[in-house]
Amino acid sequence: QKEVEQNSGPLSVPEGAIASLNCTYSDRGSQSFFWYRQYSGKSPELIMFIYSNGDKEDGRFTAQLNKASQYVSLLIRDSQPSDSATYLCAVTPPGFQKLVFGTGTRLLVSP
Amino acid sequence: GAVVSQHPSWVICKSGTSVKIECRSLDFQATTMFWYRQFPKQSLMLMATSNEGSKATYEQGVEKDKFLINHASLTLSTLTVTSAHPEDSSFYICSARDQDSGNLFGAGTRLSVL
Repeated sequence: QKEVEQNSGPLSVPEGAIASLNCTYSDRGSQSFFWYRQYSGKSPELIMFIYSNGDKEDGRFTAQLNKASQYVSLLIRDSQPSDSATYLCAVTPPGFQKLVFGTGTRLLVSP
Repeated sequence: GAVVSQHPSWVICKSGTSVKIECRSLDFQATTMFWYRQFPKQSLMLMATSNEGSKATYEQGVEKDKFLINHASLTLSTLTVTSAHPEDSSFYICSARDQDSGNLFGAGTRLSVL
């Protein structure tokens, strides 16, 4: 079982719709969860992080964490073509500062 | 603000040569830095954790003699790909953790070995 799993996609949504990205992780003791966006050929950029169960909102983005079910999701409201990228879920294993990444979900937002 | 600077951004080298990549933390000190590698259409894979003043910790399957890591100061870590071969061609990304900003990433180095 991979440590962090994501559907590779692509996930296609029309402009203005809500995009829902999901991620599951295997280590129940994981404490920190991150969503990164990566454009082709570029380095990842942090979108959001979440540590506690529940929802965390930042502008058009909402991260949701359910530690009991070991999943974390990212909702993007009012999706824009510029949101088209690969979204990487990352988890910090207990006792470490390193990030373990999922394979990423490619999001395509069509005008 | 805190930034991770990585250099060079792109390098082409001949097979058998060595390539050094630098990663600097700007406006913050990083006792720990991380080196990732990303092949096309794949995710970032952690290669090693670089520790200031001590030996790096390598992930399983990563050859420590081939990928030399030096973390001589609190703001600089280097990765040297020794005797590079075409299969080492990849996108190498460093990361450092700032206590206020979290894990920051460098812009990456695209290595092409001919």
